[in-house]
Amino acid sequence: KAGVTQTPRYLIKTRGQQVTLSCSPISGHRSVSWYQQTPGQGLQFLFEYFSETQRNKGNFPGRFSGRQFSNSRSEMNVSTLELGDSALYLCASSHGTAVGQAQYFGPGTRLLVL
Amino acid sequence: GNSVTQMEGPVTLSEEAFLTINCTYTATGYPSLFWYVQYPGEGLQLLLKATKADDKGSNKGFEATYRKETTSFHLEKGSVQVSDSAVYFCAPPPYGNNRLAFGKGNQVVVIP
Repeated sequence: KAGVTQTPRYLIKTRGQQVTLSCSPISGHRSVSWYQQTPGQGLQFLFEYFSETQRNKGNFPGRFSGRQFSNSRSEMNVSTLELGDSALYLCASSHGTAVGQAQYFGPGTRLLVL
Repeated sequence: GNSVTQMEGPVTLSEEAFLTINCTYTATGYPSLFWYVQYPGEGLQLLLKATKADDKGSNKGFEATYRKETTSFHLEKGSVQVSDSAVYFCAPPPYGNNRLAFGKGNQVVVIP
């Protein structure tokens, strides 16, 4: 099976712009979660989508949003970019949200905001 | 909710040395526990997991035993290699709004 894929891998934006990141989960996986990773804060949970519905959300401002399509692919959008949004954005998929499910991560999208 | 505590900070050791990274958990019941590894420039990979108390997960020479007496899930490897240099994260299963911020993990640097 192909792994989790994320596009683009690298992105440079300027403050105030918006950005959309894409994630394709492993075939058959219905849950997609998004994380932000920075040296200062580590890996922090943004949100999780399951069957096109947002199930859980972390403590990020409303500028961060996402959606999931019927084929389980997911997109994450960040509006009005700030310098502090520079980070590695990782998505992870799992078969479901049942107890004991491991997550499978993509390689990430590295976003640099200038 | 379920949570884990991992001693954060870099770990530097020589090739063939013994590695141990501590992880303790607080949980209702005995949820599955996981160790993930992140190699430079990559996303996280599942390293091993244990699904119940006294279960031992193992992979690539790494082992971790789910010990309910000490509520621990320490990661160990008897003889590390330079290729084991990575960041290691201990995590509970991700569900509910108690979903773990994985934190910074443990940066392991193995010197030849």
